Amino acid sequence: EPEVTQTPSHQVTQMGQEVILRCVPISNHLYFYWYRQILGQKVEFLVSFYNNEISEKSEIFDDQFSVERPDGSNFTLKIRSTKLEDSAMYFCASRGQGRNTEAFFGQGTRLTVV
Amino acid sequence: AQSVSQHNHHVILSEAASLELGCNYSYGGTVNLFWYVQYPGQHLQLLLKYFSGDPLVKGIKGFEAEFIKSKFSFNLRKPSVQWSDTAEYFCAVNYGGATNKLIFGTGTLLAVQP
Repeated sequence: EPEVTQTPSHQVTQMGQEVILRCVPISNHLYFYWYRQILGQKVEFLVSFYNNEISEKSEIFDDQFSVERPDGSNFTLKIRSTKLEDSAMYFCASRGQGRNTEAFFGQGTRLTVV
Repeated sequence: AQSVSQHNHHVILSEAASLELGCNYSYGGTVNLFWYVQYPGQHLQLLLKYFSGDPLVKGIKGFEAEFIKSKFSFNLRKPSVQWSDTAEYFCAVNYGGATNKLIFGTGTLLAVQP
């Protein structure tokens, strides 16, 4: 069964550093998403990406964040100048065409900012 | 505002007990509804989904959910839980729009005691 894969599974970084979280969506999917889950809180939408551009972003997704699909297979989330409060589990998801399709999630990257 | 509520944050059951987890959502338009499960250390997996048609949907591992439009609810049920059902359960709603992002509930942590 096709799956969404994320690397790394766990990343520890120092405050102020930049991190790049990587995702390989399911190959024929067209819509890509990043969500995050701060420990003990709900899963929150960050950004959606379609046709090589951001289609929607949440209030959380400020100038500190950026996404890219550099080579047609990877989908990355870059967090510049990380803060302690960026510590969370970050999930990538992808979805096929049409509204009546479900999103498939990766296993997540646990980011710890120290 | 679009929101999803899960009223049970932590549920403890004995094996063979019946399970019902509540999920309510705001807004009365056309929605797609999902339950995801997250086993310890694993990614979000789809349990079941509702797009249209029969409001009683059956998912994997013996789970089912009933969509009651008048109550804006999509409660998850299982007649007899097993120890292996210990996990966190998330209700999620797609309210439509350009990106079809998911709005998640806060999650319910289910612990099944053998």
